[in-house]
Amino acid sequence: EIVMTQSPATLSVSPGERATLSCRASQSVGTNLAWYQQKPGQAPRLLIYYVSTRATGIPARFSGSGSGTEFTLTISSLQSEDFAVYYCQQYSDWPPRWTFGQGTKVEIK
Amino acid sequence: EVQLVQSGAEVKKPGESLRISCKASGYTFTTYWIGWVRQMPGKGLEWMGIIYPADSDTRYSPSFQGQVTISADTSITTAYLQWSGLKASDTAMYYCVAVIGGEGYWGQGTLVTVSS
Repeated sequence: EIVMTQSPATLSVSPGERATLSCRASQSVGTNLAWYQQKPGQAPRLLIYYVSTRATGIPARFSGSGSGTEFTLTISSLQSEDFAVYYCQQYSDWPPRWTFGQGTKVEIK
Repeated sequence: EVQLVQSGAEVKKPGESLRISCKASGYTFTTYWIGWVRQMPGKGLEWMGIIYPADSDTRYSPSFQGQVTISADTSITTAYLQWSGLKASDTAMYYCVAVIGGEGYWGQGTLVTVSS
């Protein structure tokens, strides 16, 4: 089973600063990598899919990069509404398996 | 517009059985894998398993194999997650998710509470 490891567990950032979140896969996931944002009491919200494609309505300050086993979500200038937990997810085509990272909490510094 | 609408919250006793549902619309139900995700209180997202509705090919996470049953009814474009004997540790929010062209579409979640 592919294991997804996110770092750091918690990221303390001031509003307006840049945040960089990492996600590592235990084996290559190709381009089948997504990022989600989750706020308390809400379902996860898709931010990025296929490594770097922003979902509909997602601001340009969110960007994804990486390949193979190392991936990054960058929030260029944190806004107050961006403080949340972020998860990466791999969704391999064959064999069909999904796995989530354990999450990174982005908190106000 | 893709929509996944889940059944309402449930309160059950240990040992009881339960089936929750996820009604899909806005896309060809048989063409894409649809899965279930667990989120225990205050914890992260855990993939439970996925099903390909066209042929009911089902894959489970090792952590959930034998603990739950995933099924789908193509006639009513609905996926199901079922337990035959609930435990207190099954208390969680459960989400259904369809991945279509790489994009994940989520249901609103079903809260399952198991308590004596």
